[in-house]
Amino acid sequence: GNSVTQMEGPVTLSEEAFLTINCTYTATGYPSLFWYVQYPGEGLQLLLKATKADDKGSNKGFEATYRKETTSFHLEKGSVQVSDSAVYFCALILGAAGNKLTFGGGTRVLVKP
Amino acid sequence: SQTIHQWPATLVQPVGSPLSLECTVEGTSNPNLYWYRQAAGRGLQLLFYSVGIGQISSEVPQNLSASRPQDRQFILSSKKLLLSDSGFYLCALRGGGETQYFGPGTRLLVL
Repeated sequence: GNSVTQMEGPVTLSEEAFLTINCTYTATGYPSLFWYVQYPGEGLQLLLKATKADDKGSNKGFEATYRKETTSFHLEKGSVQVSDSAVYFCALILGAAGNKLTFGGGTRVLVKP
Repeated sequence: SQTIHQWPATLVQPVGSPLSLECTVEGTSNPNLYWYRQAAGRGLQLLFYSVGIGQISSEVPQNLSASRPQDRQFILSSKKLLLSDSGFYLCALRGGGETQYFGPGTRLLVL
């Protein structure tokens, strides 16, 4: 079956540090890949996505590149802020008619001033 | 633009009591709708999805049921809550392409 594996948190960083959250996937086919962010007490917001190999999704200074050869979609940000403290979820969906988002377990990020 | 409403925002219920959580959407017609649950400290699990009125698909066997009485309304229910039903329940809709957008969620605590 399909699965998504994320690095376990929490990840604690200082403001302006570089952030990387690793995400790898297993899928029977060619999925679309997503990063969602959940701020404290809130629902999930779509952060970025990529629908095919070598696509790069970007938003709010975050980037992730769809790497088919390594089945990865690592999330990066060059300089984090306190407001980036949240839980980040990597997810995949398979096929244009796919109904099921498969999520990783989430990575909690805490940015300290 | 599409908007997802969920209520209540927070709910505390005793074990054995019934449950009804409501999700309504605006700005779209005939959407695919989804119920996910996030248990404390864990990832998200798809519970149900619906591609139209009266059409429900269940992903996992459980103590919950779902209904879609109207195009833009999706309800999650239980006749008797269990402690293990505690969690954060998120409604989502499928937007353009494959992207799913989430509502603000309902936090349920069963005591």
